[in-house]
Order: sequence, then structure tokens, then C-alpha cells
Amino acid sequence: DTGVSQNPRHKITKRGQNVTFRCDPISEHNRLYWYRQTLGQGPEFLTYFQNEAQLEKSRLLSDRFSAERPKGSFSTLEIQRTEQGDSAMYLCASSFFGEDYEQYFGPGTRLTVT
Amino acid sequence: RKEVEQDPGPFNVPEGATVAFNCTYSNSASQSFFWYRQDCRKEPKLLMSVYSSGNEDGRFTAQLNRASQYISLLIRDSKLSDSATYLCVVNSGGGFKTIFGAGTRLFVKA
Repeated sequence: DTGVSQNPRHKITKRGQNVTFRCDPISEHNRLYWYRQTLGQGPEFLTYFQNEAQLEKSRLLSDRFSAERPKGSFSTLEIQRTEQGDSAMYLCASSFFGEDYEQYFGPGTRLTVT
Repeated sequence: RKEVEQDPGPFNVPEGATVAFNCTYSNSASQSFFWYRQDCRKEPKLLMSVYSSGNEDGRFTAQLNRASQYISLLIRDSKLSDSATYLCVVNSGGGFKTIFGAGTRLFVKA
């Protein structure tokens, strides 16, 4: 399968715990995006990488959130000290460089904070 | 005002109907535009890009009006399998600033 993959697909955690999600983009794609989606809303942009450089972060991304993309391949999104409001679907997408290049999404990681 | 606004829906239509979705965006510097489809509890999938000249893909037609900052999607001869949420997407800032609308839910009934 050459699409975007994400792991884990589901995560249930207790408030205050740290969680880490992984995204493996389509191998030729040099741009990688993270989004958060809650019920009834469209995906909200969190952050974006071009190769290994994190070039933009949304104001939605509090200090508890950090993302990395070492070597410009896979990416991780870590949430520290989770809160119930962090419960959402976390989506990763990848694309080629350029505004006309479409983004392809992974299946997402559904986070539930209890 | 939201940066990208879509018809709130839901739309309930019979099979074979023609249905149109509308989307407006606030950033006049926006550069590229897309429609995505999202099935329940699945990831968004690209339906089509939207070009200034308009584009058509089978039963689907997308239009862009830059002057009015308006995008539309027309679905002809609706199928049961078209039931999904349709997301309007606008890119700016060299492509990385991607804003999704909240989506419009479509139900096609037999």
C-alpha cells in the first residue's frame, strides 16, 4: 500500500497522560500536514513540514503539542498532559511541493481522552 | 466570519436528482481550490480540483468565481453512493495554508 498510513488508528488515554502518533507519508511527497477534526467540523490545520523543516504552526497548537519530522520522512505528533478537549480525530496528509498539488490523507488516529 | 463557509445542509435528495453545493471564501489572495469527499468516520478524499475555467469529471462539475470569491460543486444524476460530506478547501500562502469548510452533508435516497 503506497498511501499515507497512520498509527495507531485508535488511542484511548487518561487525562494527563502523554500520547504520540505516527504518520508515514507517500514516499515521494515532501510536504506533510497535521490536522485535527472534531464531529461536524472540517479538518483544522495544525502544522506543516516541508522535508524536515516545520514551517508553520497554527495558533491551535498549544505548547503541549509538538511535531517532528526527522530526515524528512515519517512524522510524529506528541500531545503532553492530555485534556478531554484534545479528543478528536488527528489526520495526516502529504503532498508534493506547490499550491496546486493535492493533499492525500491518511486514515487518521482517533484519540479519546477519558 | 469564517474563512471558508459552506451551505450548512444536510441535503436530502432522491436518486437521479441534481444537487449544487456552494462555498465562499474570505481571503482574496487564495490560490488553489478543491472539493473533497468524506464518508462517515473516514478520511477526506480528493474529489476534484477547481480551476478558474471550471472543470468537469463525469457527473461532477466544479466552478470558481474569483471576483465573487465563490466555489460551487454540481452533482448530476445523484447515486446512493454519493451520500457523504462534501468539503470545500482553499489554499493560500504558497500552498501550505489550507482551510477546510465545515462540510455539507448529502443524503441520496432511493
